[in-house]
Amino acid sequence: AQSVTQLGSHVSVSEGALVLLRCNYSSSVPPYLFWYVQYPNQGLQLLLKYTTGATLVKGINGFEAEFKKSETSFHLTKPSAHMSDAAEYFCAVTPNRDDKIIFGKGTRLHILP
Amino acid sequence: EPEVTQTPSHQVTQMGQEVILRCVPISNHLYFYWYRQILGQKVEFLVSFYNNEISEKSEIFDDQFSVERPDGSNFTLKIRSTKLEDSAMYFCASSRFLGVQGTQYFGPGTRLLVL
Repeated sequence: AQSVTQLGSHVSVSEGALVLLRCNYSSSVPPYLFWYVQYPNQGLQLLLKYTTGATLVKGINGFEAEFKKSETSFHLTKPSAHMSDAAEYFCAVTPNRDDKIIFGKGTRLHILP
Repeated sequence: EPEVTQTPSHQVTQMGQEVILRCVPISNHLYFYWYRQILGQKVEFLVSFYNNEISEKSEIFDDQFSVERPDGSNFTLKIRSTKLEDSAMYFCASSRFLGVQGTQYFGPGTRLLVL
């Protein structure tokens, strides 16, 4: 069965520092992988997704993620954190190219001034 | 930019009561979904809906749940007899396509509290 594990339910970084949110997946077939962000009182917004091709995926707001099949990872990074990045981030996988999304538990990102 | 909307944003109900959660998907989308997130837990898939019928449902989606697209714009989730454990945030989502071209757009959620 497909699953997603996010390491760290809370991550704090200083403004201007590197953001690294970790995600490992389990999938018996090549997966589609996603990162969603949820700002307070808002819905889930797609940050980026990997389907096929280039393993380094660029998303909105300066975020990017790299698909590493050998490590079954899809970590999310941003070179320089901004206060507006404070939110909850969800890694997710779609198995078998179908439409059901399987989410991780989420990581709440705190930005320290 | 078009967005998925959900009403109400919050709902409080008594155990055993029926609730209907409403969603307005993006207008040219064809695939519709409900997910839920119990406080402190993962976002979980409930059901997908296409061409006026359920495409897939999870084991959570038992006989107490039903979905309907009563007109060209609304997509509803009904819980017939609510239980305490139905307290959660419920997200609606829609997409135009499946697969590589498909992206699910989520609404802001309805927070349901069952007392």
